[in-house]
Amino acid sequence: GENVEQHPSTLSVQEGDSAVIKCTYSDSASNYFPWYKQELGKGPQLIIDIRSNVGEKKDQRIAVTLNKTAKHFSLHITETQPEDSAVYFCAGDSNYQLIWGAGTKLIIKP
Amino acid sequence: GAGVSQTPSNKVTEKGKYVELRCDPISGHTALYWYRQSLGQGPEFLIYFQGTGAADDSGLPNDRFFAVRPEGSVSTLKIQRTERGDSAVYLCASSPDRENTGELFFGEGSRLTVL
Repeated sequence: GENVEQHPSTLSVQEGDSAVIKCTYSDSASNYFPWYKQELGKGPQLIIDIRSNVGEKKDQRIAVTLNKTAKHFSLHITETQPEDSAVYFCAGDSNYQLIWGAGTKLIIKP
Repeated sequence: GAGVSQTPSNKVTEKGKYVELRCDPISGHTALYWYRQSLGQGPEFLIYFQGTGAADDSGLPNDRFFAVRPEGSVSTLKIQRTERGDSAVYLCASSPDRENTGELFFGEGSRLTVL
């Protein structure tokens, strides 16, 4: 089955700098890779996703890249702002389920 | 518009007791999922409904856990003879259609504490 690993577990960046979170997956049959943001006391919320037929997708300050050969994908946040502080989860699909990484706590320092 | 609603938001119970957690999905969403999230971990899949039927219950940890969705809308997760290890946040999510893996809309979760 699918296994998704996520790094780092905690990331602290200066406001305005970029943040990069990386995930690897094991199931070569996986085709869908979403990223969710979870704020304290809330449920996860989708921020961007990518399917295996593209290598990169961008939405304003957020971008995701996918390398199917290496089985890894990354989240890039540019010009970080205080409201970007949250826990970010990557996931990969497996038999129509989502298998989630353990999360990255992103801290934006003022 | 109304999102996914979960009740109760917090539940404290004693070991061995029975609990029910309720999920009211977004109107019109046919797919409904239950996940369990422990502190510092990502959500762990429990069960998925397409309409009224449990299409995939492979994530339920044991037979103490059961979920229903009798009319294809509201779902109830039922836990019998609760154990301390059941303590977690139980998340419900819905989506319009599972045929094409896409966005899940999550509720805020029900935090279960078993003493």
